[in-house]
Amino acid sequence: AQSVAQPEDQVNVAEGNPLTVKCTYSVSGNPYLFWYVQYPNRGLQFLLKYITGDNLVKGSYGFEAEFNKSQTSFHLKKPSALVSDSALYFCAVRDGGTGFQKLVFGTGTRLLVSP
Amino acid sequence: GAGVSQSPSNKVTEKGKDVELRCDPISGHTALYWYRQSLGQGLEFLIYFQGNSAPDKSGLPSDRFSAERTGESVSTLTIQRTQQEDSAVYLCASSSKRGGNEQFFGPGTRLTVL
Repeated sequence: AQSVAQPEDQVNVAEGNPLTVKCTYSVSGNPYLFWYVQYPNRGLQFLLKYITGDNLVKGSYGFEAEFNKSQTSFHLKKPSALVSDSALYFCAVRDGGTGFQKLVFGTGTRLLVSP
Repeated sequence: GAGVSQSPSNKVTEKGKDVELRCDPISGHTALYWYRQSLGQGLEFLIYFQGNSAPDKSGLPSDRFSAERTGESVSTLTIQRTQQEDSAVYLCASSSKRGGNEQFFGPGTRLTVL
């Protein structure tokens, strides 16, 4: 069975500094990995995904994520944080080796960017 | 070019009443999902529909919860005899079979059981 871990409940960073939100995963086959963001009182919004190809994936709003197969990680990064990036971030995984499409989500990491 | 829509956006009900929540997926998306999110918490998977296949109901927390989907369109999530612990935001998502199958989420229905 697949699983996702987001080890940090909250990440604090000052505006202008780089940010990293951590995610590790476990699947039996090839992983399909996703990051979503949730702003207050809103639904989840897709940020980026890794299916195959380059390990560094670029997504919306200047975010990127690096797939590391040996460490089974898919950390979300941004070179320079904005206050408006403050939100709840979810990592998700599915097993790409099956036709089954259910995603398994992590518990979420709250990002707080201070001015 | 509408996204996933859900109605109502807010629902307040009394304990013991039944409620119906509606989800309209993106046109052409064969897969539809329901999740529950308690205040500030992660996502709890409830049920998944894929085309005409039998739905995956493995996440439904009790037999008071049920869901239906008409073909590849609208879905309704029904909660019977609501309890206070059912209070949460109920999120619907849909996806297509192409690409990585990323899910597109609706804005959610906030359910409050008094």
